Amino acid sequence: GAVVSQHPSRVICKSGTSVKIECRSLDFQATTMFWYRQFPKQSLMLMATSNEGSKATYEQGVEKDKFLINHASLTLSTLTVTSAHPEDSSFYICSARERGVMNEQFFGPGTRLTVL
Amino acid sequence: GENVEQHPSTLSVQEGDSAVIKCTYSDSASNYFPWYKQELGKGPQLIIDIRSNVGEKKDQRIAVTLNKTAKHFSLHITETQPEDSAVYFCAASISNFGNEKLTFGTGTRLTIIP
Repeated sequence: GAVVSQHPSRVICKSGTSVKIECRSLDFQATTMFWYRQFPKQSLMLMATSNEGSKATYEQGVEKDKFLINHASLTLSTLTVTSAHPEDSSFYICSARERGVMNEQFFGPGTRLTVL
Repeated sequence: GENVEQHPSTLSVQEGDSAVIKCTYSDSASNYFPWYKQELGKGPQLIIDIRSNVGEKKDQRIAVTLNKTAKHFSLHITETQPEDSAVYFCAASISNFGNEKLTFGTGTRLTIIP
């Protein structure tokens, strides 16, 4: 149980285009989902927290107009990187917290974004 | 905000020996401390966690200890095996619906030498 999937696993795009990443909780309802970014050989940095049906809360320094987050259902959250540039290339990871269960987050397998 | 420090950054251990990774946190309100294992190109996988009302927790070859007074917690892996090679992250958060974001340590790359 407690499986989180991400799609796509890898994406390569041209500079200036937008990319959408999906995060799904497969066997539980996730009231809260989190989006992280991880650069090579570095730790995970929280970008934003999204609660189902409400606007995401972004961490300081994360541009909300560039990283659009939608959490329209209890099993799906999406991250759209708008007008991507090479510096946005990174490993994006989502996690989900099950409804009614405090703290424990289940992580997806990550999405490798490369912007040319 | 919370700050989590993790040591060492790299650790090489002979197969069968024990490995210990240590973390310290700054916010005394933190009360949930998970450990994650991340293999190359994959997402983190929860391996064990501990809450502040417990001093030690064990799951087969893995154990975590917590010292609330000193604000540090440690991961212990015994009888290490090659498949234990990975990057390990500690994290800390507050048990509070709506304010439970994890703050991660910097990671430890563990290599098990056959």
